[in-house]
Amino acid sequence: NAGVMQNPRHLVRRRGQEARLRCSPMKGHSHVYWYRQLPEEGLKFMVYLQKENIIDESGMPKERFSAEFPKEGPSILRIQQVVRGDSAAYFCASSPIRTTDTQYFGPGTRLTVL
Amino acid sequence: DAKTTQPNSMESNEEEPVHLPCNHSTISGTDYIHWYRQLPSQGPEYVIHGLTSNVNNRMASLAIAEDRKSSTLILHRATLRDAAVYYCILEKGYGGSQGNLIFGKGTKLSVKP
Repeated sequence: NAGVMQNPRHLVRRRGQEARLRCSPMKGHSHVYWYRQLPEEGLKFMVYLQKENIIDESGMPKERFSAEFPKEGPSILRIQQVVRGDSAAYFCASSPIRTTDTQYFGPGTRLTVL
Repeated sequence: DAKTTQPNSMESNEEEPVHLPCNHSTISGTDYIHWYRQLPSQGPEYVIHGLTSNVNNRMASLAIAEDRKSSTLILHRATLRDAAVYYCILEKGYGGSQGNLIFGKGTKLSVKP
């Protein structure tokens, strides 16, 4: 059973460009969570999705950031018009059911904004 | 959300046991205690979790105080591969949580050969 997969592992963008980060959850998992880790800091929750639904986006910045988890295909975290402050590691996690269940994390995408 | 307090860093010698403490004095009755660790340049990895009773698995043991205001993660024999940041996280039980984990700064464990 393959683990959570994220791609790309490293992404370099210039200011103003768009970044698209993809996350494929573990087989059988229908809950996906995105976290961001700024340099030298802990992980911060961004958004929690189920298939075709956003359940909790309380950690998402109000502008430029969006997430989706379509019926088919991976979950996508999209950052429009990136700025240098968006440089961070973005981790995706999945779980089979909500709450009390282990979240399995992917290896992360390291975004660098030049 | 209930908060946890952990030491910033700890050191251990290889092959020796390690006890990583966590204080959570404002824990509520339905909060589960989770431990994750993050190795350098990797995503977090689940270690163990419990509610009231002590728990054991192949990675570690979790000792929970009787009043549940503190807990201790026990690595029975530290190896160099156990060097990581260890996070103690409270997560509300089913029906009370949004599902997200709240990570603090954790404890950075160094293991000396």
